[in-house]
Amino acid sequence: QVQLQESGPGLVKPSQTLSLTCTVSGGSVTNSDYYWTWIRQPAGKGLEWIGRIHTSGSVIYNPSLKSRVAISIDTSKNQFSLNLNFVTAADTAVYYCARQPRITWAWDSWGQGTLVTVSS
Amino acid sequence: QSALTQPPSASGSPGQSVTISCTGTSSDVGDFNYVSWYQNHPDKAPKLMIFDVTKRPSGVPDRFSGSKSGNTASLTVSGLQAEDEADYYCSSYAGNNNVIFGGGTKLTVL
Repeated sequence: QVQLQESGPGLVKPSQTLSLTCTVSGGSVTNSDYYWTWIRQPAGKGLEWIGRIHTSGSVIYNPSLKSRVAISIDTSKNQFSLNLNFVTAADTAVYYCARQPRITWAWDSWGQGTLVTVSS
Repeated sequence: QSALTQPPSASGSPGQSVTISCTGTSSDVGDFNYVSWYQNHPDKAPKLMIFDVTKRPSGVPDRFSGSKSGNTASLTVSGLQAEDEADYYCSSYAGNNNVIFGGGTKLTVL
């Protein structure tokens, strides 16, 4: 059974870059049947889709975040990563990584999430 | 794209049925059969309960079912059990490679 685990700093200063990594175990990020996704949830609010990447290198982003976000994949480490630039307090959230089967728009495996706080 | 609308809370007694609604528009829920539902217990990874409006992943009890009518999707939990108490979120594809979520519903088992 595939497992995903987020890692990265829990505190980021305003205007800096938020960087997170998702390590996949029990499965491979090179499996072409899946997309690898980032989703976030600000405290007290709903979920927000950030974007996804495929092992082919194909990547798409939420239009509202597109100018600040980059998702990459490292097949040698079986990981994928999120970079979010020029963060503000509004980017404070629990960040989840998740797996999306190519045949649908749903996420069948999730990490437990990691809280990232943007504060000076 | 606006978020999908869910009731903030829902409740039911053990053994009863409860239905949670998820209202969107003709551009998302009403236009695509890509509605999914997630169960989220505190400090745990969200769990996919329903995808493609009505499909249940392997391992999800058949007490959980999904449906859609027009711009509103619904999740029904039958035979409520204590472990069903959690937050539930809906999601819908919204076209142009974008997806939106509901604000979440806290389900309480009385």
